[in-house]
Amino acid sequence: KAGVTQTPRYLIKTRGQQVTLSCSPISGHRSVSWYQQTPGQGLQFLFEYFSETQRNKGNFPGRFSGRQFSNSRSEMNVSTLELGDSALYLCASRRGLDTGELFFGEGSRLTVL
Amino acid sequence: KQEVTQIPAALSVPEGENLVLNCSFTDSAIYNLQWFRQDPGKGLTSLLLIQSSQREQTSGRLNASLDKSSGRSTLYIAASQPGDSATYLCAVRPVKNYKLSFGAGTTVTVRA
Repeated sequence: KAGVTQTPRYLIKTRGQQVTLSCSPISGHRSVSWYQQTPGQGLQFLFEYFSETQRNKGNFPGRFSGRQFSNSRSEMNVSTLELGDSALYLCASRRGLDTGELFFGEGSRLTVL
Repeated sequence: KQEVTQIPAALSVPEGENLVLNCSFTDSAIYNLQWFRQDPGKGLTSLLLIQSSQREQTSGRLNASLDKSSGRSTLYIAASQPGDSATYLCAVRPVKNYKLSFGAGTTVTVRA
């Protein structure tokens, strides 16, 4: 059974650019959530999608956005990149919105120069 | 706002010793608590999920307890091995919303 798949695994961008990260959840999982991990702030919740609808949102600026498709795959976008956006972005999936174990992907490592 | 604390931030033990990792949270109205392991530069691997109605969960050498009233969970790892070296994080899902709150983690080194 395939796990949570994130692409790309590594990417380098410059300030002001935008980036799109992709996440394919475990088959049968309909909830996808995104997290940012940095050495200083630890793991912080970005947003969660279920059935193509954003159900929860963390305390991040509007430059961070996401969406979920009908096949449960999800993308997150960060516009007007800042140096502080350099982080490991983790995607996680679970079966339902309020049930079940959370499974994480390997993450996308973003470096902003 | 839910605050999750993990103390100590790091510990080093000789191989074979039992590990005790602590997680405390400020709001006891939780849906569940999950323990994860993270290796450097990698994603999180789920270890144990404890529902709010449970007192403990076990998987192999791992045992996690939950005391909701005191806002504490403990992860026990028996007979540690060098392969157990990693950062261990706990995450709490509150009842009022589904936003997971993570602790900062405990980095464990098991010396051969």
